[in-house]
Amino acid sequence: KAGVTQTPRYLIKTRGQQVTLSCSPISGHRSVSWYQQTPGQGLQFLFEYFSETQRNKGNFPGRFSGRQFSNSRSEMNVSTLELGDSALYLCASSFPGTHEQYFGPGTRLTVT
Amino acid sequence: DAKTTQPNSMESNEEEPVHLPCNHSTISGTDYIHWYRQLPSQGPEYVIHGLTSNVNNRMASLAIAEDRKSSTLILHRATLRDAAVYYCILNSGAGSYQLTFGKGTKLSVIP
Repeated sequence: KAGVTQTPRYLIKTRGQQVTLSCSPISGHRSVSWYQQTPGQGLQFLFEYFSETQRNKGNFPGRFSGRQFSNSRSEMNVSTLELGDSALYLCASSFPGTHEQYFGPGTRLTVT
Repeated sequence: DAKTTQPNSMESNEEEPVHLPCNHSTISGTDYIHWYRQLPSQGPEYVIHGLTSNVNNRMASLAIAEDRKSSTLILHRATLRDAAVYYCILNSGAGSYQLTFGKGTKLSVIP
């Protein structure tokens, strides 16, 4: 079974631009969560989607948004990029009713 | 959110058992104890979880104190591939996917 895939793997953007990251969950998984990882703050929860609805949201500004499609694929968008948004963005998927989350390799975003 | 406390770092010799401790004195009755690990340049990987009883799987064992205020992840024979940051996380139950990661324990395995 294929794992969680994230595209692109690396991205360089300029301050003020916006970016869209994509996540394809494991087949059959309907929950997709997004996390941000930085050296200073560690791994922080951004939001979770289930059946195209945002179910939980972390403590991030409104510039961070996401959506989920009917095939469970998810995208997250960051608008008006700031230098502090440079991070590894991780996506994780889960099968309904289970405990385990399966993480993708992440997208490394650098904002210059 | 209930918090966990882990040592910043630990070392182990290859092929020896490793006991990674975690304190969670404010754990609630419905909190599950989860362990994930993150190898260098990879996303986190699920290791094991438990509620009250000790748990075993192909990767590790989880020993939970009787009062549930602490737990220990046991790797029975450390290999070089086990060098990673190990995170102990409390989570409210199946279907809850808002994980709160702490700083974890960085495990180094010495050949």
